[in-house]
Amino acid sequence: QVHLVESGGGVVQPGRSLRLSCATSGFTFSSYGMHWVRQAPGKGLEWVTTIWYDGSNKYYADSVKGRFTISRDNSKNTLYLEMNRLRVEDTAVYYCARDRSYGTGAFDYWGQGTLVTVSS
Amino acid sequence: EIVLTQSPGTLSLSPGERATLSCRASQSVSSTYLAWYQQKPGQAPRLLIYGASSRATDIPDRFSGSGSGPDFTLTISRLEPEDFAVYYCQQYGSSPRTFGQGTKVEIK
Repeated sequence: QVHLVESGGGVVQPGRSLRLSCATSGFTFSSYGMHWVRQAPGKGLEWVTTIWYDGSNKYYADSVKGRFTISRDNSKNTLYLEMNRLRVEDTAVYYCARDRSYGTGAFDYWGQGTLVTVSS
Repeated sequence: EIVLTQSPGTLSLSPGERATLSCRASQSVSSTYLAWYQQKPGQAPRLLIYGASSRATDIPDRFSGSGSGPDFTLTISRLEPEDFAVYYCQQYGSSPRTFGQGTKVEIK
């Protein structure tokens, strides 16, 4: 079955960097678009970024554009989120999610999330 | 950016009752690109409905979606104890792929 496992979260100071990973299994990773969604403590869901199945297209929320970079390694079945110049307001649980299609579908499978805390 | 407004904020109902959740878009949203998710405390969201009315894999038929832009509805025909949760709508037809603020369905 489909599995998504995030890792790389932790406590980091404002202005520093962090890299999240999402290891996948149970499906042909290279055929599906992928997403990152975050949820601040006690708040709703916020879409962060999307990458198409082949990495050809990437989209970002305005709140992270220019600071976050999504990437994927289809040979390792792994999705990444490089987060630079972190801010206190980036504190959230970060979920990776699979697209139902190549990058334009709903999000049909989700990982359990990894907590990122930005604090001095 | 398309803003999705969900109502009500909280719905207090008893098991066995019918739940009707609304999602209104600030701009035109094709029904092809409207989804509903369920989230329970401490868990990741789960896809319930995509394309406004198609149930995702293993979703019970008591969950149904309907509507067309700008108004969409999620209906739970008879609430089971495990259905008490927060529900989010999402549009994925344009970037940014926005979520509504959520509707909490709580036990009355």
